[in-house]
Amino acid sequence: DIQMTQSPSTLSASVGDRVTITCRASQSISSWLAWYQQKPGKAPKLLIYKASSLESGVPSRFSGSGSGTEFTLTISSLQPDDFATYYCQQYNSYSRLTFGGGTKVEIK
Amino acid sequence: EVQLVESGGGLVQPGGSLRLSCAASGFTFSSYDMHWVRQATGKGLEWVSAIGTAGDTYYPGSVKGRFTISRENAKNSLYLQMNSLRAGDTAVYYCARVRSSSGAFDIWGQGTMVTVSS
Repeated sequence: DIQMTQSPSTLSASVGDRVTITCRASQSISSWLAWYQQKPGKAPKLLIYKASSLESGVPSRFSGSGSGTEFTLTISSLQPDDFATYYCQQYNSYSRLTFGGGTKVEIK
Repeated sequence: EVQLVESGGGLVQPGGSLRLSCAASGFTFSSYDMHWVRQATGKGLEWVSAIGTAGDTYYPGSVKGRFTISRENAKNSLYLQMNSLRAGDTAVYYCARVRSSSGAFDIWGQGTMVTVSS
């Protein structure tokens, strides 16, 4: 199975900060990567698909980049609503989908 | 409104069985691949199973042979039959839709809790 490693696992930041989360795949997944935001007690919400495509309705402060094995999610200016846990997910291997371990963005 | 609503969770003893359901509305259910994803309390997301529009199914090793995903397009419903349940299967179970143009999970249900305990 393809392993997805996210870093950091926890991130402390302030409103207005630029935040970057990294996701590394154990083998190349081309651009078959998605990012999700999850708040406590809620289902995940799709933010980015195909590594860099912004899901409809998602604020433009969210952006994704990367291909192959290294990917990043960037929040250009952190807003109060953005404090949550973020997960990457690879779907290069459809019969073996895997998620990263998550990055919790906390208030500094 | 596009919506997925799970049901069927509950408390079951180790070795027992449970069947989860996911009711879809607001879209042409038969045209979409559907998945189950679970999350143990305080833990990350784990993919559990998938079913394609043609009925092809996929499972990770952790549930293969114990879980069966199925769909009934006439009822706009997705199911997960879970047998030989273990404590490690305790989690919130989400059904999720894959939008073919993106390949990612664009719609999720609210989740249903499954607790495996004696």
